[in-house]
Amino acid sequence: SQKIEQNSEALNIQEGKTATLTCNYTNYSPAYLQWYRQDPGRGPVFLLLIRENKKEKRKERLKVTFDTTLKQSLFHITASQPADSATYLCALPKNSGGYQKVTFGTGTKLQVIP
Amino acid sequence: EPEVTQTPSHQVTQMGQEVILRCVPISNHLYFYWYRQILGQKVEFLVSFYNNEISEKSEIFDDQFSVERPDGSNFTLKIRSTKLEDSAMYFCASSEVQGEGEQYFGPGTRLTVT
Repeated sequence: SQKIEQNSEALNIQEGKTATLTCNYTNYSPAYLQWYRQDPGRGPVFLLLIRENKKEKRKERLKVTFDTTLKQSLFHITASQPADSATYLCALPKNSGGYQKVTFGTGTKLQVIP
Repeated sequence: EPEVTQTPSHQVTQMGQEVILRCVPISNHLYFYWYRQILGQKVEFLVSFYNNEISEKSEIFDDQFSVERPDGSNFTLKIRSTKLEDSAMYFCASSEVQGEGEQYFGPGTRLTVT
C-alpha cells in the first residue's frame, strides 16, 4: 500500500541554522509533491509544489528537492527563525489519476530555538 | 487576501445527533474538499467536490457523511448520526484548479462528540 513517512520526532535547531526535513514515500509514482505548514489548531498552509521532472525548487528561504529514484523529498529552511516553528507536512496526490485526492504525511514538528 | 472561512469554530454534540459543518470557499475557486484530523494524527482526505457532485471520496466517507453546495457560496459537510470516533478537527479547503492546484484550507471546526 502507498505510504508517506516523515520523521515523527520533533526537530530542534538553533536559530540561524538550516533545518532539513525528510519525506519518504513507497508504492507511489507521484507527478508532484507538495509541502505545507501547519500551526497548532490551524489548517495547513501551502508552501511549495515540486513536479517529478524537477530536482529542486526554491522560494525565498525555502528549498525543496525531489528524488524520484530514492522516493524522497527534502525540505530545507535556511537561516531559520523562531517564527518557522511549526509542523511541516508533505503531501502527494493519489497514485493513478485521482489528482484531487491528496494524501498527507504525519508531519515533522520543527522547533527553532532562539 | 481571500480566505476560506468555516463555522462554527467548535461544535459539541451528543452521540447519534446530526451535525452540519459549514464552509465558505474562496469565491472564484471551483474545487472543494473536506479533510479531518483526529487529535495528534495526520490530516486525512474525506471528499472532493466539483461541478455540484462528488468527484472523489475516501473510505472514511461512508453513508453517514454527505456534502452539499446549497447556494453559490456555502459548502457543507453533514454527519447524520455522530459517533464518538467522529470527534476531530474538520478542515474545508478549496482550489482554483484541480490536480496541482494549491489548496487553501480554512481554520477548521473542532467537533466534539460526547
